[in-house]
Amino acid sequence: AAGVIQSPRHLIKEKRETATLKCYPIPRHDTVYWYQQGPGQDPQFLISFYEKMQSDKGSIPDRFSAQQFSDYHSELNMSSLELGDSALYFCASSPSPGGPGGKLFFGSGTQLSVL
Amino acid sequence: AQKVTQAQTEISVVEKEDVTLDCVYETRDTTYYLFWYKQPPSGELVFLIRRNSFDEQNEISGRYSWNFQKSTSSFNFTITASQVVDSAVYFCALEGGSARQLTFGSGTQLTVLP
Repeated sequence: AAGVIQSPRHLIKEKRETATLKCYPIPRHDTVYWYQQGPGQDPQFLISFYEKMQSDKGSIPDRFSAQQFSDYHSELNMSSLELGDSALYFCASSPSPGGPGGKLFFGSGTQLSVL
Repeated sequence: AQKVTQAQTEISVVEKEDVTLDCVYETRDTTYYLFWYKQPPSGELVFLIRRNSFDEQNEISGRYSWNFQKSTSSFNFTITASQVVDSAVYFCALEGGSARQLTFGSGTQLTVLP
């Protein structure tokens, strides 16, 4: 069965550079979520989209932005990268109708290292 | 505000032992959902179980069982006859209210020794 696909799997950037992470949800899933997991930390919710519109916003820095495209894939854009942005970034998707308590399907994550 | 506490940072057991992972949560929502996820060394988050706040029935799935007690705000997870492949970080998570956001606990690193 198709899963959530994230690219790239690993990304190395330097301070003040920009990065773009991509997420391709499971087919027919119209809701996408982004989570950030720092080293040894629990995942923290960043932002989510439903039907290409932002639905919830968590602890996402102003330097980050995200969007969901017409094919439901999502991109997380990160600018002016800081050392503290080094983390595993997860994307998750859920099917429609995506009511509360629905199961989230997580991708394998993108490991971002900022040097 | 919501909070999930997993007091056990690390647990080590020998293969075939039973092990229970504790999870205590706080929420003001009357309707909420509890989850357990497994994160093996490869890094992905694997869904294990979901429970809603109105369903306090305990559940058993193979070697896994879950004990949800609303009175103590706990949702504990037991692995029976543990195996080396069970070694992973296990996260308890809570979703409450209208926002589709998971609040994770800090995770419990389970190591099963051969």
